[in-house]
Amino acid sequence: QVTLRESGPALVKPTQTLTLTCTFSGFSLSTSGMCVSWVRQPPGKALEWLALIDWDDDKYYSTSLKTRLTISKDTSKNQVVLTMTNMDPVDTATYYCARLDILTGFDIWGQGTMVTVSS
Amino acid sequence: SYELTQPPSVSVSPGQTARITCSGDALPKQYAYWYQQKPGQAPVLVIYKDSERPSGIPERFSGSSSGTTVTLTISGVQAEDEADYYCQSADSSGTFRDVVFGGGTKLTVL
Repeated sequence: QVTLRESGPALVKPTQTLTLTCTFSGFSLSTSGMCVSWVRQPPGKALEWLALIDWDDDKYYSTSLKTRLTISKDTSKNQVVLTMTNMDPVDTATYYCARLDILTGFDIWGQGTMVTVSS
Repeated sequence: SYELTQPPSVSVSPGQTARITCSGDALPKQYAYWYQQKPGQAPVLVIYKDSERPSGIPERFSGSSSGTTVTLTISGVQAEDEADYYCQSADSSGTFRDVVFGGGTKLTVL
């Protein structure tokens, strides 16, 4: 059974750096075609893709946010970490990690973690 | 990057057919994916590569593509299908260097 779980702070202050961890099980990020991605959703708004890391350690970022994002993986721990710098109240959202199988899309999602940016 | 455009809302009565469209200039060259999201829950993949249905997704969900528009069709809509639906596209080469989601469509079952 494939599962993903997001963890990180529920509250961050403006200008701080957010670090989120996605811990997954049931698949290996070393397997060809497997990727893990981060997607966020502000309250009442649409999904927004943030970043992706693939089995070959290639990394891709949203054009609008790439200067603030860093994605990395620890294959031995089955974890993917996302950092987002210079947080702002507009970054308040539920942050999801999701498995991406290049053959089938974002097929498994974590439950999401709500992050509020406020002083 | 580019945009995918969805209607904000679609309403249908139970048993009818719901059609949700998604338009984007790059769609002729890129696969589309559809996700269902119910309140307070994570999205669920319902269609991949324009028209393929993952295991466990009811047969009443189908997808199609024509030019710059892709369509999610739900035949015989049930009350449990009331949700937000998002389209998403990816590079047609099979990689996901640039992922875009549509703005979402709220399906209301009357």
